[in-house]
Amino acid sequence: AQSVTQLDSQVPVFEEAPVELRCNYSSSVSVYLFWYVQYPNQGLQLLLKYLSGSTLVKSINGFEAEFNKSQTSFHLRKPSVHISDTAEYFCAVSDREYGNKLVFGAGTILRVKS
Amino acid sequence: NAGVTQTPKFRVLKTGQSMTLLCAQDMNHEYMYWYRQDPGMGLRLIHYSVGEGTTAKGEVPDGYNVSRLKKQNFLLGLESAAPSQTSVYFCASTNLNEQYFGPGTRLTVT
Repeated sequence: AQSVTQLDSQVPVFEEAPVELRCNYSSSVSVYLFWYVQYPNQGLQLLLKYLSGSTLVKSINGFEAEFNKSQTSFHLRKPSVHISDTAEYFCAVSDREYGNKLVFGAGTILRVKS
Repeated sequence: NAGVTQTPKFRVLKTGQSMTLLCAQDMNHEYMYWYRQDPGMGLRLIHYSVGEGTTAKGEVPDGYNVSRLKKQNFLLGLESAAPSQTSVYFCASTNLNEQYFGPGTRLTVT
């Protein structure tokens, strides 16, 4: 069975500082990996995904994540955060088997302070 | 193109009452899912469907039933609501590369 661990439940950071949100997963098979973002009182939006190919994937708003197979990690980074990045971030894994189901981490709340 | 929609947005039930949550998608996706979101637990899969007329249990199926009579709709039913089912419910559908989520239904059971 798969599992996802997000090591920090909350990450406070000042505006324009760099941030890293950590995600580790466990799976015995090849996986797809995702980061979703949830703004207050809204649904989840896909931020970025790793399906295959380059292990470094980037979003249009400056986030990036690197798939590290040996460390089973998919950490999310941004070199300079904005107030508008305040949200909850979820890491998720799919083993690509029947149903293409996702297993989510518990989430990390990113609080950007001015 | 509305994507994934959910009705209702909010609902308050008394213990023992029943209700149905409706999810609709207009992207012609085969796969659809129902999740519940609780603080500190992320999203947990309740039931899912890989096509019209098929359903399967997820991680936390007890107390819920589902039906997929039409490809575009996925219904989640609570036959006898319990306070432990107070949660935010999300529906999603997928093209197999990513899941698209609805806006959620906030359900309170008193």
